[in-house]
Amino acid sequence: QVQLVESGGGVVQPGRSLRLSCATSGFTFSSHGMYWVRQAPGQGLEGAALIWYDGSKKYYADSVKGRFTVSRDDSKNTLYLEMNSLRVDDTAVYYCARITGASLDYWGLGTLVTVSS
Amino acid sequence: DIVVTQSPLSLPVTPGEPASISCRSSQSLLHRNGYNYLDWYLQKPGQSPQLLISLGSSRASGVPDRFSGSGSGTDFTLKISRVEAEDAGVYYCMEALQPPYTFGRGTKLEIK
Repeated sequence: QVQLVESGGGVVQPGRSLRLSCATSGFTFSSHGMYWVRQAPGQGLEGAALIWYDGSKKYYADSVKGRFTVSRDDSKNTLYLEMNSLRVDDTAVYYCARITGASLDYWGLGTLVTVSS
Repeated sequence: DIVVTQSPLSLPVTPGEPASISCRSSQSLLHRNGYNYLDWYLQKPGQSPQLLISLGSSRASGVPDRFSGSGSGTDFTLKISRVEAEDAGVYYCMEALQPPYTFGRGTKLEIK
């Protein structure tokens, strides 16, 4: 069955960096675009970073552009999100989601990132 | 950038009654291929979001047929024909036309 498992979250000081991973299984990873969606505490969903199935295109929300980098390693069936210059308002649960067509048909359970001094 | 506006933000519903949520986009989501790139997601309390409806009206696998999506262009509606207790949660629409996609602010459906 399809599984997406995020890891790498934790508590980090403002200005520092963190790398999130999303390990996948149960499907052909290299055939799907992938998406990082985040949710601040008590708030709604915000798309953060999207990468095409072949890695050729990447898209970022304005709020993370220039600070976050999405990448993928198809040999490891893993999606990454490198987050630099973290700010307090980056505090959120970060979900990875599989894209089929243009829809997010499978989601992980999320990993919590807390940016605090 | 596309702006997606949902209403209402809160929706109390009695079990067995119908419910309706509106989603309006600042730009047409009708692709030249004839599909509307608008999805609906449900986030139940304490859970990850799950896909309900894709391309405006196509129910995802395993979604009960009491859920239906309709609309085209800039105006869309999610309808639940008869609400059940398990339908409680926050419903989000998302435009899937212009990456990175944009979510609506969510509609919290509360069971009376």
